[in-house]
Amino acid sequence: ETGVTQSPTHLIKTRGQQVTLRCSSQSGHNTVSWYQQALGQGPQFIFQYYREEENGRGNFPPRFSGLQFPNYSSELNVNALELDDSALYLCASSLLSGVYNEQFFGPGTRLTVL
Amino acid sequence: QQQVKQSPQSLIVQKGGISIINCAYENTAFDYFPWYQQFPGKGPALLIAIRPDVSEKKEGRFTISFNKSAKQFSLHIMDSQPGDSATYFCAASWQGAQKLVFGQGTRLTINP
Repeated sequence: ETGVTQSPTHLIKTRGQQVTLRCSSQSGHNTVSWYQQALGQGPQFIFQYYREEENGRGNFPPRFSGLQFPNYSSELNVNALELDDSALYLCASSLLSGVYNEQFFGPGTRLTVL
Repeated sequence: QQQVKQSPQSLIVQKGGISIINCAYENTAFDYFPWYQQFPGKGPALLIAIRPDVSEKKEGRFTISFNKSAKQFSLHIMDSQPGDSATYFCAASWQGAQKLVFGQGTRLTINP
């Protein structure tokens, strides 16, 4: 069984640029959630994708967008980067069973915005 | 109302001791309470989870105690080991929800 993988591991961008982060879900999972974890804080929910459509969104502006592909992998896109976007971005995969979905996290992508 | 408050922020325990981390919540719709363990440079790993139909769940050295009336739950690590040194997050969710709501985290250090 393959776990959740994310790429790249680290990324440095400047304010105003755009970034794309990638995630491959765990084998057998059909749902991907993205979280932002600022330094010293707990993860904050950005959004979730199921069957290639957004299935719930947290309190993040529209410049945070995503995609899910037929193989259940996913991308997180952030436009017009701001300094406060510097964080660890976590992808979590799960099986949307209609009850509780245990979420399994990848190692994250550390984004630094200068 | 969707917050989960976690304490303490940091904790130092001697090897072999009991580590206790507490969380409190307000939203009575929450009915799934997992704990995650995160090592530096890694993503959070699911450790143990409880639902409010039981007051305690034990897996090895890790125990969750749940008090529904007080809207509190806690993680107990028995016989704490240096390898348990990590940041621990409590979280909460509800049936059909898309997201986990996380606490602020507790940095646990086990001294040898």
